[in-house]
Amino acid sequence: DQQVKQNSPSLSVQEGRISILNCDYTNSMFDYFLWYKKYPAEGPTFLISISSIKDKNEDGRFTVFLNKSAKHLSLHIVPSQPGDSAVYFCAATPGGYQKVTFGIGTKLQVIP
Amino acid sequence: DVKVTQSSRYLVKRTGEKVFLECVQDMDHENMFWYRQDPGLGLRLIYFSYDVKMKEKGDIPEGYSVSREKKERFSLILESASTNQTSMYLCASSSYENRVLSEKLFFGSGTQLSVL
Repeated sequence: DQQVKQNSPSLSVQEGRISILNCDYTNSMFDYFLWYKKYPAEGPTFLISISSIKDKNEDGRFTVFLNKSAKHLSLHIVPSQPGDSAVYFCAATPGGYQKVTFGIGTKLQVIP
Repeated sequence: DVKVTQSSRYLVKRTGEKVFLECVQDMDHENMFWYRQDPGLGLRLIYFSYDVKMKEKGDIPEGYSVSREKKERFSLILESASTNQTSMYLCASSSYENRVLSEKLFFGSGTQLSVL
């Protein structure tokens, strides 16, 4: 049973436009949400996170939105750049000593 | 910068062989993890460790064991490799922040294991 779902396996966006990656979760105990980026032949790297007490967190071109009632979060990249082309993993955890659960990833391609 | 080093980038083994995947981190992190990544399945947790000589099962521990004799080193062991263990294996570490396990994981580059 997938507790963290990324229903779009891939996404193509023109350079300069907005990329929106979506993630849904089922576990009400999740308290922290994270996005990781993975380039081929490299390990995932942490991108941005959000606590359940917030509904938005920004870091430069990256913004994560959290809708707790809908159990949905999204990552916005504005403007998108070719270097953003990677696989993006959504992740969640109840926090404390609990493990992090990952989604299956969304492959983003930013077209120059 | 945190560095998590996995000993092999690519590994080819035969069915039934015993396989050791090694991981070393240089940031004195308390917590270490082993994940495998498969297409369509994302990252799945195999085992993790919160302290030396301590281990906890993740979501898919069957067929695997782990060893953590030193804080900086976490080994994943495939006792008898099988073809369904062909995968990308990723090691990660994290620290505690304000006495809470940090959700921010630092990953190694991965080991692509092929079992023939």
